[in-house]
Formats: sequence, structure tokens, C-alpha cells
Amino acid sequence: QVQLQESGPGLVKPSQILSLTCTVSHGSISNGAYCWSWIRQHPGKGLEWIGYIYHTGSDHYNPSLKSRVSISVDTSKNQFSLRLNAVTAADTAMYYCARTYYDSVWGSFRLDSWGQGTLVTVSS
Amino acid sequence: QSVLTQPPSASGTPGQRVTIPCSGSNSNIGTNTVNWYQVLPGAAPKLLIYSDDQRPSGVPDRFSGSKSGTSASLAISGLQSEDEADYFCAAWDDNLNGLYVFGTGTTVTVL
Repeated sequence: QVQLQESGPGLVKPSQILSLTCTVSHGSISNGAYCWSWIRQHPGKGLEWIGYIYHTGSDHYNPSLKSRVSISVDTSKNQFSLRLNAVTAADTAMYYCARTYYDSVWGSFRLDSWGQGTLVTVSS
Repeated sequence: QSVLTQPPSASGTPGQRVTIPCSGSNSNIGTNTVNWYQVLPGAAPKLLIYSDDQRPSGVPDRFSGSKSGTSASLAISGLQSEDEADYFCAAWDDNLNGLYVFGTGTTVTVL
């Protein structure tokens, strides 16, 4: 059973960079059947998909965040990372990483294994 | 940014059947498959239903999903106290070069 674990600072100052890492265990990030996503949930609110990346580096982002976000992958460490620039209080949220199955032919996209999440607060 | 609409709340007594609707459009539910996620208090989301009506291994068969046109629904039969949670529908949306969208979420309360 694949497991994912988020790590990174819990507090980030406004205008600075939010940086998180997701470590994958009991499974290879290089498994081409899957891509790897970041998702966030604002306090008391709904879920927002941020973007995904394949082990090849091919990525895709939510248009609402595309100008500020990048996701990278390190196959040697079985990790992928999130970088969000110029954060504001509106970026305060629980951030999750998840293994993702995507079949564009059948229009199937699902987040089938999730990390436990990490809370990031943006405050001075 | 939620483009999938759900009622904010639903409730039932133990043993009852509860149904949660999810309304979308041609660019998401009408074209792509629907998933449902369960978020128990203090826990990470869990995939509950995928590809409209499929249950991952380990999900009780009292949870079922269906889809018709641009709407989907999640049914919980034989409601149990441990089913108290938030439930979100989700689907790939072909607009804006493609993005994954979630529903607004429904909180299920067991009375």
C-alpha cells in the first residue's frame, strides 16, 4: 500500500515562497501509470486541486494558480515538491499530496492515495 | 471556484438511506467520470467511489454512486454513525485547458 507524507514549514510570511515536499513510500514515483498531485483545503472550506506532475517532469496546473505555482519531482529520492510564490493569507490551508490516476482517453482522473496533510499558515 | 454543486448538508437516522446529489455541466460530469471523496473529522480525504460507480477495495458496499447526464449522486444505505463526514464529488473539467474540480461538499449528520 503506497504511502505519502508531506513535509515543510508550517508558517510562511506574506510575499514569501511556500515550499513543501511529499515523500512516497511503499511504491515508486517512477511508476508511469500514475502522476502525483497537490491539493489544498482552506479552513472550513472545500478542496482545490493545485496541479500534478509525472516522473518525467511533465506537469499541469490549475489555471487559477498557474502564474505562482510549480511542481517538481526527484525520482532518486522518491519525492515531489510544491512551490508557491508570493503567498498571501488566502494561501493559508491544509496542503495534501496524492497519488493520481489519469486516463485522458476515458476522462478518468482520481486521487487514490493521500498523505495526511500539512497545515500551512501565512502570517507575519 | 467549485463548479460542481452539492447541498451543504444531509442527515438521517441510523439505518436510513441518504442520497447526495452533485450537479455539473457538459465540460465535467457530462464528459468525464465522477469520483467521490469522504473526509472524516480530522482526517485526510479518502477515495470512496471512482469512475462514477466503482468502489475501491475496502469500501463498504453500502456506498454506491451513479451518474446521469450532467449530474451524479452518492447513496449511503444503512447509514451508520461512522459515516458522519464531509463528502465531495469531483471530476476532470475540460474547460480552461483542463483542471480537476471538486464539488462544494456535503456534511452528513447521523441523527
